[in-house]
Amino acid sequence: GDSVTQMEGPVTLSEEAFLTINCTYTATGYPSLFWYVQYPGEGLQLLLKATKADDKGSNKGFEATYRKETTSFHLEKGSVQVSDSAVYFCALIEVGGSYIPTFGRGTSLIVHP
Amino acid sequence: GAVVSQHPSWVICKSGTSVKIECRSLDFQATTMFWYRQFPKQSLMLMATSNEGSKATYEQGVEKDKFLINHASLTLSTLTVTSAHPEDSSFYICSAHTSGATDTQYFGPGTRLTVL
Repeated sequence: GDSVTQMEGPVTLSEEAFLTINCTYTATGYPSLFWYVQYPGEGLQLLLKATKADDKGSNKGFEATYRKETTSFHLEKGSVQVSDSAVYFCALIEVGGSYIPTFGRGTSLIVHP
Repeated sequence: GAVVSQHPSWVICKSGTSVKIECRSLDFQATTMFWYRQFPKQSLMLMATSNEGSKATYEQGVEKDKFLINHASLTLSTLTVTSAHPEDSSFYICSAHTSGATDTQYFGPGTRLTVL
């Protein structure tokens, strides 16, 4: 079955540091890939997505590139802010399937001033 | 983007009582809604898939008689936790998907349930 593997957290950074959160996946078909963000006490918000190989999703300074050859979708940001502190979930949805996402376990990001 | 709301955002109830949580798609019609449960510092666990006008499909291990799901319209699904117990305390999140749209799910803000 499908699966998503994320790097374990927490990831602790100082403000303005470079962020990378690794995500790799296994899928039987050709999935769409997503990053969701969950701020404390809130639901999930779609951060960015990519629907085919070599697509780059970007939003709010975050970006991730769909790499089919390495089955990866790593999240990056050049300069993090304290307000980016949250839990980040990588997910995939099989195109033409049930539309139910397969989530990674989530990676907590803590940004210090 | 599409907006999904949940009500209430938090609820505290006594053991043995029932609690209803509403999930609404505010600016689109959702043919399918999903209910998740999230334990502290863990990922989301899918509980059930709810299709408008039909019975919900529950994931293995989820008691359908305890977690009653009703999807009465294209904009509203409800989850009722019946005879709640402290172990039902959790963060419940719904999401909605639109038929014919891109393969994106939109999530509600979640409901924190605490059973005393």
